[in-house]
Amino acid sequence: DSGVTQTPKHLITATGQRVTLRCSPRSGDLSVYWYQQSLDQGLQFLIHYYNGEERAKGNILERFSAQQFPDLHSELNLSSLELGDSALYFCASSVAGWSYEQYFGPGTRLTVT
Amino acid sequence: DAKTTQPPSMDCAEGRAANLPCNHSTISGNEYVYWYRQIHSQGPQYIIHGLKNNETNEMASLIITEDRKSSTLILPHATLRDTAVYYCIVIGGTDKLIFGTGTRLQVFP
Repeated sequence: DSGVTQTPKHLITATGQRVTLRCSPRSGDLSVYWYQQSLDQGLQFLIHYYNGEERAKGNILERFSAQQFPDLHSELNLSSLELGDSALYFCASSVAGWSYEQYFGPGTRLTVT
Repeated sequence: DAKTTQPPSMDCAEGRAANLPCNHSTISGNEYVYWYRQIHSQGPQYIIHGLKNNETNEMASLIITEDRKSSTLILPHATLRDTAVYYCIVIGGTDKLIFGTGTRLQVFP
């Protein structure tokens, strides 16, 4: 158990819909990172937040957005969902502003039908 | 071009040491070697990292050659729970973590 929690564990929704994925980092960690893992593309970095501020963006679509709240939990919002958005979404956390020693949550499996 | 080369798969008997190699011949002076693993459909798990010295923690040992062009992750007493995909990542500065295809380690009884 990494100490990072993610909800929900599974999510099934239809194309065109909007969903919100939630992540609580390890106690004391200020950074949250979001990743997408699909079968054909491996693990892809989406976005990084540190202490409430966006710090880095990866291959995140404009239909996706994220935020980190004062209590340091983070939400990833996915809108206008397409079949290709079906994937595992992981968040990770770290103590520092940018660290390669990241602790990953169990993931949310999103299925878009 | 990929920064690392790993064998696609390896087998190891339970209780034996698992030695996972990684080639990173183009590594630069400020780049670290990180190892992660991912057990099927679970979140990746940080294992260990090093710059040029050998490192050991409660999970594994990391041996980096003197020229830093290759490294070996050692799981001293592999268990069935160590069956996973192991990723060797060379990274530095403000690079983003990129997980390649890794080595699929199968530990058998």
